[in-house]
Amino acid sequence: AAGVIQSPRHLIKEKRETATLKCYPIPRHDTVYWYQQGPGQDPQFLISFYEKMQSDKGSIPDRFSAQQFSDYHSELNMSSLELGDSALYFCASSLKADQETQYFGPGTRLLVL
Amino acid sequence: AQSVTQLDSHVSVSEGTPVLLRCNYSSSYSPSLFWYVQHPNKGLQLLLKYTSAATLVKGINGFEAEFKKSETSFHLTKPSAHMSDAAEYFCVVSGGGNKLVFGAGTILRVKS
Repeated sequence: AAGVIQSPRHLIKEKRETATLKCYPIPRHDTVYWYQQGPGQDPQFLISFYEKMQSDKGSIPDRFSAQQFSDYHSELNMSSLELGDSALYFCASSLKADQETQYFGPGTRLLVL
Repeated sequence: AQSVTQLDSHVSVSEGTPVLLRCNYSSSYSPSLFWYVQHPNKGLQLLLKYTSAATLVKGINGFEAEFKKSETSFHLTKPSAHMSDAAEYFCVVSGGGNKLVFGAGTILRVKS
């Protein structure tokens, strides 16, 4: 079965650079979520989208923005990167009718030097 | 606010022995609860979910969990551990809206 696809899988950036993470949900899933998992930490909810509209917002820094496109894929844009942004970024997707059952992608590991 | 507490940060068992990973939850309403597993350098995989249909929930790979409202617990069990079960396990509660709230995780080690 098709799963959530994230790209790139690994990314190395320097401080103050920008990064764009992409997420392609499971086919027919209309809701996308972003989570951040710092080293040795549990995943923390950042933001979610349904039908291209932001549906919920968590602890997402102002330096980050995200959007969902008409094909339901989503992009997380991160600017003015800081060392503390180094983390594993997960995307998850679900159906609007069953938002609690979220299926996670493999994650993008971001390292900021 | 909804939250979960995983009572053990590390659990070590021998292969073939039972597994018990403990989780207590706090919720102002009847919660939806999940267990996810994360193998090293891999993504999060849904093991099972509780959504009030039945208190004993069976998941994949022989895992099951029992929802006990009186104890506010949702412990994960497996009768016989396998080496491939070594991973980190997260107890998760639906946090209202459509976000998930994760516990701190329990690292399961399986000894041969």
